[in-house]
Amino acid sequence: AQKVTQAQTEISVVEKEDVTLDCVYETRDTTYYLFWYKQPPSGELVFLIRRNSFDEQNEISGRYSWNFQKSTSSFNFTITASQVVDSAVYFCALSDNVQGAQKLVFGQGTRLTINP
Amino acid sequence: DADVTQTPRNRITKTGKRIMLECSQTKGHDRMYWYRQDPGLGLRLIYYSFDVKDINKGEISDGYSVSRQAQAKFSLSLESAIPNQTALYFCATSEGGSYNEQFFGPGTRLTVL
Repeated sequence: AQKVTQAQTEISVVEKEDVTLDCVYETRDTTYYLFWYKQPPSGELVFLIRRNSFDEQNEISGRYSWNFQKSTSSFNFTITASQVVDSAVYFCALSDNVQGAQKLVFGQGTRLTINP
Repeated sequence: DADVTQTPRNRITKTGKRIMLECSQTKGHDRMYWYRQDPGLGLRLIYYSFDVKDINKGEISDGYSVSRQAQAKFSLSLESAIPNQTALYFCATSEGGSYNEQFFGPGTRLTVL
């Protein structure tokens, strides 16, 4: 069975600090996709990034970066120079492809609080 | 206007009542999904639909049913609500293929007393 573990339930840092959110996954599939979503205090889920199992290149988007390592089954998310607006719950998710529909398996989420 | 809408946004009901949560989308996607979110558990899939004629159970379908009335509409029903169905419910849509991100509605907060 597929599983996603976000061991950090809550993280609190001071603004401008760097912070890394961990994500470890389990799957027997050779082809799979990993996602990160953000859930700000307003409640909606916002897509941040997608990564497929064949692409281990790290990605940077502004202050956000993602480190995908198949050897350790991890897909970690780093925010550099954090800001108060980064405060949210962050979810890592793994896709289970069933005939083209994407059954997402979510981690438990990490609540990130950035203090001014 | 939002691409994925859910009604109602908040609902309080009593044990044993029938409840319907509705989801509409203007993205033109075939795939639609219902999830529930509980504190400390993340989101769990209840039902998903490939298209109007194809509906499938997810991880936690017991106690729930769905109806896909049209490509744009996907409803979730609780036939006889119970307190442990108190949760935040999300509808989502996507294009076909496991590589496509899902677009989520704003959520419905359901409380069963």
